[in-house]
Amino acid sequence: EDQVTQSPEALRLQEGESSSLNCSYTVSGLRGLFWYRQDPGKGPEFLFTLYSAGEEKEKERLKATLTKKESFLHITAPKPEDSATYLCAVPEDKIIFGKGTRLHILP
Amino acid sequence: DAGVIQSPRHEVTEMGQEVTLRCKPISGHNSLFWYRQTMMRGLELLIYFNNNVPIDDSGMPEDRFSAKMPNASFSTLKIQPSEPRDSAVYFCASRQDRLRSPLHFGNGTRLTVT
Repeated sequence: EDQVTQSPEALRLQEGESSSLNCSYTVSGLRGLFWYRQDPGKGPEFLFTLYSAGEEKEKERLKATLTKKESFLHITAPKPEDSATYLCAVPEDKIIFGKGTRLHILP
Repeated sequence: DAGVIQSPRHEVTEMGQEVTLRCKPISGHNSLFWYRQTMMRGLELLIYFNNNVPIDDSGMPEDRFSAKMPNASFSTLKIQPSEPRDSAVYFCASRQDRLRSPLHFGNGTRLTVT
């Protein structure tokens, strides 16, 4: 069965302390990967689509990368407003989501 | 663009009562998904529709759950009878039926069954 696993489950960083979130998957014939951000009380908000291994996408302090087996969301010099849950998903017909990483940036 | 609209935002009901959740997808999107989110299990896909037709309902937990999409601009998820373990946040999402097209989510309905 296709699976998407995210790590760590939770991450606390000081403002300005860069780090990376991981998304690994077991899907045959991967056709790309989505990253989403979810704030409390809201639905997930689309960030990126990565289409193939080796691709990178950037948005402000976020950069997403993709290999054949995993994806990383790199956060450079984060600010408190980057605190959220970050979700990855595999765009198969069913669009399977990982459980997310809860990121908390301390001022 | 108003985005995906869900109602109600919050629903509190007693065990055994019928609950109906509503969703209006983004105009022009022809795929619609219902998800349930809990801390323990994350986002679970319940059912999805293409062009108003249910494609996969294997995620619907039991016969107490049913979903309909009578037209391109409206869908409902019904739970009858409701149970306390159904308490969760229910999300509706829509997208264009195109490979790798991302989902756009509503802000969810928080259901509490006492």
